[in-house]
Amino acid sequence: KAGVTQTPRYLIKTRGQQVTLSCSPISGHRSVSWYQQTPGQGLQFLFEYFSETQRNKGNFPGRFSGRQFSNSRSEMNVSTLELGDSALYLCASSFWGSTADTQYFGPGTRLTVL
Amino acid sequence: KNQVEQSPQSLIILEGKNCTLQCNYTVSPFSNLRWYKQDTGRGPVSLTIMTFSENTKSNGRYTATLDADTKQSSLHITASQLSDSASYICVVSANSGYALNFGKGTSLLVTP
Repeated sequence: KAGVTQTPRYLIKTRGQQVTLSCSPISGHRSVSWYQQTPGQGLQFLFEYFSETQRNKGNFPGRFSGRQFSNSRSEMNVSTLELGDSALYLCASSFWGSTADTQYFGPGTRLTVL
Repeated sequence: KNQVEQSPQSLIILEGKNCTLQCNYTVSPFSNLRWYKQDTGRGPVSLTIMTFSENTKSNGRYTATLDADTKQSSLHITASQLSDSASYICVVSANSGYALNFGKGTSLLVTP
């Protein structure tokens, strides 16, 4: 069974630009979560989607947004990029999205903002 | 405030030796605790998950323990291998809403 895939794997942008990251979950999984990982803060939860609806949201500004499509694929968008947005962005999928569910992570998208 | 603290921040051990990583949390009400292994350049992979009633869970050479009274967990790695070099992340879930609390991880380096 194919794992979680994320595209692109690496991205370089400049301040003020916007970026869209993509995540394809494991087949059959309906929940997709997004995380930001930085050396200083570790993993931080961005948001979680289930059946095309955002169910849960972390403490990130409105510049961070996402959506989920009917095939469970998800995209994350960051507008007006700031230097501090440089990070590894991970998505994870699971069947139901409950905290007891095992989440399967993708390899991440490494975003660098110059 | 729900917090998860991991120690040590980094660790270097010789191949074949054992080691123990610590996770202390203040998350309440407690739902479950999970240990992840994250290899460099890859996403985290779940090693174990424990609920309130479980105090030990093994996955091969990895053994996690949980003391819900003292709110402490440990991950013991037996007979370490070079492939164990990774970051180990402790994640504690609260039993209210969707609340995942992440530790900052312990970076383990196993040397020949």
